[in-house]
Amino acid sequence: AAGVIQSPRHLIKEKRETATLKCYPIPRHDTVYWYQQGPGQDPQFLISFYEKMQSDKGSIPDRFSAQQFSDYHSELNMSSLELGDSALYFCASSPASNTQYFGPGTRLTVL
Amino acid sequence: AQSVAQPEDQVNVAEGNPLTVKCTYSVSGNPYLFWYVQYPNRGLQFLLKYITGDNLVKGSYGFEAEFNKSQTSFHLKKPSALVSDSALYFCAVRDMDKAAGNKLTFGGGTRVLVKP
Repeated sequence: AAGVIQSPRHLIKEKRETATLKCYPIPRHDTVYWYQQGPGQDPQFLISFYEKMQSDKGSIPDRFSAQQFSDYHSELNMSSLELGDSALYFCASSPASNTQYFGPGTRLTVL
Repeated sequence: AQSVAQPEDQVNVAEGNPLTVKCTYSVSGNPYLFWYVQYPNRGLQFLLKYITGDNLVKGSYGFEAEFNKSQTSFHLKKPSALVSDSALYFCAVRDMDKAAGNKLTFGGGTRVLVKP
């Protein structure tokens, strides 16, 4: 079965650079979620989109923005990167049944 | 506000013995409850969920969980653990109240180590 696809899987950036993470949801899933998991931490909700509109917002820094496109893929844009942004970033998608299915994550390292 | 507590950082069990991973939750309304498993350097893999209906929920790989409303608990269980069950387990909750949004709130995770 098709799963959530995230790219890139690994990303290394310098402080103050920008990064763009991409997420391709499972086909026919209309909701996309972004989570951040710091080292040894549980995943923290950042933001979600339903039918290309922002549906919920969590602890997402102002330096980050996200959007969902007409083909339902989503991008998380991160600017002015800080060392503390180093984490595993997960995308999840869900259909109406509410179960969120997670992608493999993008490991971002900020040097 | 919604929250999840997993009181044990790590659970050690011998292969073939029963496994229990504890989870308690707090939500304003009624809960949707989930268990996910995370293997090293991998994403979160869905195990099972409770939405409504029977309190005992059966999921993937022989896991089950029991919803207990009075104790606000949703403990994960497996009758006979395998070495391959060694991983990090997360309990998560979502409030059914639409005003609460659709985000999942996770517990801190419990590392399960199954020894041969």
